[in-house]
Amino acid sequence: ILNVEQSPQSLHVQEGDSTNFTCSFPSSNFYALHWYRWETAKSPEALFVMTLNGDEKKKGRISATLNTKEGYSYLYIKGSQPEDSATYLCAFITSGSRLTFGEGTQLTVNP
Amino acid sequence: DAGVIQSPRHEVTEMGQEVTLRCKPISGHDYLFWYRQTMMRGLELLIYFNNNVPIDDSGMPEDRFSAKMPNASFSTLKIQPSEPRDSAVYFCASSTRQGEEQYFGPGTRLTVT
Repeated sequence: ILNVEQSPQSLHVQEGDSTNFTCSFPSSNFYALHWYRWETAKSPEALFVMTLNGDEKKKGRISATLNTKEGYSYLYIKGSQPEDSATYLCAFITSGSRLTFGEGTQLTVNP
Repeated sequence: DAGVIQSPRHEVTEMGQEVTLRCKPISGHDYLFWYRQTMMRGLELLIYFNNNVPIDDSGMPEDRFSAKMPNASFSTLKIQPSEPRDSAVYFCASSTRQGEEQYFGPGTRLTVT
């Protein structure tokens, strides 16, 4: 059983704050790591697909880094806005296309 | 493209009844996935297909669950007979290639009474 752990479980920040959260995954047999953003009453939407150790990806105010040797990825949000409020999921793939999801970090940005 | 399409969006049924959930993936996507979301277990993969062939069904909870993909544009997830513990949101997703980002449908909220 693959264990994907995310921390913190939930986070409350003020508008304008920058924040980050962590995804830990088994470092062996790594194939890819995905980050998804999941707003309440909607479906998960892909943010990043990361495959190489040292990868850094950015989309607007959101960025992510990947360390496959030690088995972790960080997601950063710069200058959080209320519309960033969502659950952020990471998912790990060893081979094939089977994603194992973490339980997510629930972010609330207060105006 | 309209994205991944799922139907129905909501289903309420009585225990013991057969339930069929439907999914139309994005055209050109070779991979199709069925997920279940529950409070207890989060988002878990039930089964996935590549080019209409089931590749990994190890997440299917028991024999009451079955999934088919008769062609590239249609898949079904069937529960027979349904039980109250099957109540969950079921998502279908598709992707172009192995390991690539997955596009999720809006989900079907199933309630079994």
